[in-house]
Amino acid sequence: EVQLEQSGTEVKKAGESLRISCKASGYRFTDQWIGWVRQMPGKGLEWMGIIYPRDYSTRIGPSFEGHVTLSVDKSVSTAYLEWRSLRASDSAMFYCVRQSYHTDWRAIDLWGQGTLVTVSS
Amino acid sequence: DIQLTQSPSFLSASVGDTVTITCRASPGIDSHLAWYQQKPETAPRLLIYTASTLQNGVPSRFSGSGSGTDFTLTIRSLQPEDVATYYCQQLYSYPHDFGGGTKVDIK
Repeated sequence: EVQLEQSGTEVKKAGESLRISCKASGYRFTDQWIGWVRQMPGKGLEWMGIIYPRDYSTRIGPSFEGHVTLSVDKSVSTAYLEWRSLRASDSAMFYCVRQSYHTDWRAIDLWGQGTLVTVSS
Repeated sequence: DIQLTQSPSFLSASVGDTVTITCRASPGIDSHLAWYQQKPETAPRLLIYTASTLQNGVPSRFSGSGSGTDFTLTIRSLQPEDVATYYCQQLYSYPHDFGGGTKVDIK
């Protein structure tokens, strides 16, 4: 089965570091970009960024640049989203996504179940 | 950055109605637009890509059209299970932002 399995709920304090994970299965991990989408409570979807596992190329949205780090471990087909210093405003649901690129189409065609992050001040 | 404007932000319609959601891009994005459906408390799912291609398994009452700057998502014969928030996304240039969303409810 093709799927993205995310790590569980996190409760942290402002200033702490955090890394959440997303394990891909059922497809060749290095073939497609993998990334993250944020959804703050009661709000819409925000595209954070993507990383290409084959060569580690990264594209990060300007709202997130410098605050989060995207990485992958090809040996275990896992993507990571990391913060060095969390803020209360980072509290949100984070979805891991596969962003597929093909000759004539591109889209987010696979979503993880989401990881809820709560940061207290 | 590409500006995506989705409208309306909320709509309420009766079962069996046809509803239309609009997404406007500035500047134009060719046909690099996707639509997603998010039901409450669940992850979104892909409905349509490349503006008008239906993803496998999506009911045929959903359709998309448009290119360049103006796009529409149409739901024909609205069903109770279509209650959800719908988002457009441009995949023409980075960042691949989403529209603000349209919440669809049943009268």
